Amino acid sequence: DVKVTQSSRYLVKRTGEKVFLECVQDMDHENMFWYRQDPGLGLRLIYFSYDVKMKEKGDIPEGYSVSREKKERFSLILESASTNQTSMYLCASGFRGRGTEAFFGQGTRLTVV
Amino acid sequence: QKEVEQDPGPLSVPEGAIVSLNCTYSNSAFQYFMWYRQYSRKGPELLMYTYSSGNKEDGRFTAQVDKSSKYISLFIRDSQPSDSATYLCPIANDYKLSFGAGTTVTVRA
Repeated sequence: DVKVTQSSRYLVKRTGEKVFLECVQDMDHENMFWYRQDPGLGLRLIYFSYDVKMKEKGDIPEGYSVSREKKERFSLILESASTNQTSMYLCASGFRGRGTEAFFGQGTRLTVV
Repeated sequence: QKEVEQDPGPLSVPEGAIVSLNCTYSNSAFQYFMWYRQYSRKGPELLMYTYSSGNKEDGRFTAQVDKSSKYISLFIRDSQPSDSATYLCPIANDYKLSFGAGTTVTVRA
């Protein structure tokens, strides 16, 4: 079974803190993604990576950065957390190629106070 | 214009009913269509995958793609309380998936 593991299920951080969300996959997938999910808005893509050290902006990259130093690990960084970044964050991975499915982690519920 | 539009519901049906879920998409060039199911407090899981037009059936689930109308549908027959979840219909756009709002379904016992 494909496993995408996110480091935390629930996280509470203060405004202005630097926040790291970690994601690890065990299927040797080339592609990795970070989405956020908000009620009524669905899943929105923040960043994705198609190879080690490569990254592409998604639809809502502002206030976020990413790091992919190893193929299996993709980190999302909130440089200075704000209350409007309170959300469910979902990591996903998949093989390279058009139309391939994505496998999701269990999500991290981040609350910024 | 959003790449995929989905009525967020919520949708509530009695056990045994047929559930009908729909999405519309903007670009007729899209070829790969999926349905994901997401239980509360879990990540989405792939439910159905279809390529181009036509129907695909898997047990109680049927996925339909009508490329001429840019319309995709998911039907759940003999719905069960365990089908209560949010259903998502992403479009495979280049190398990433673009999602709509998702439709939340509750099947009442």
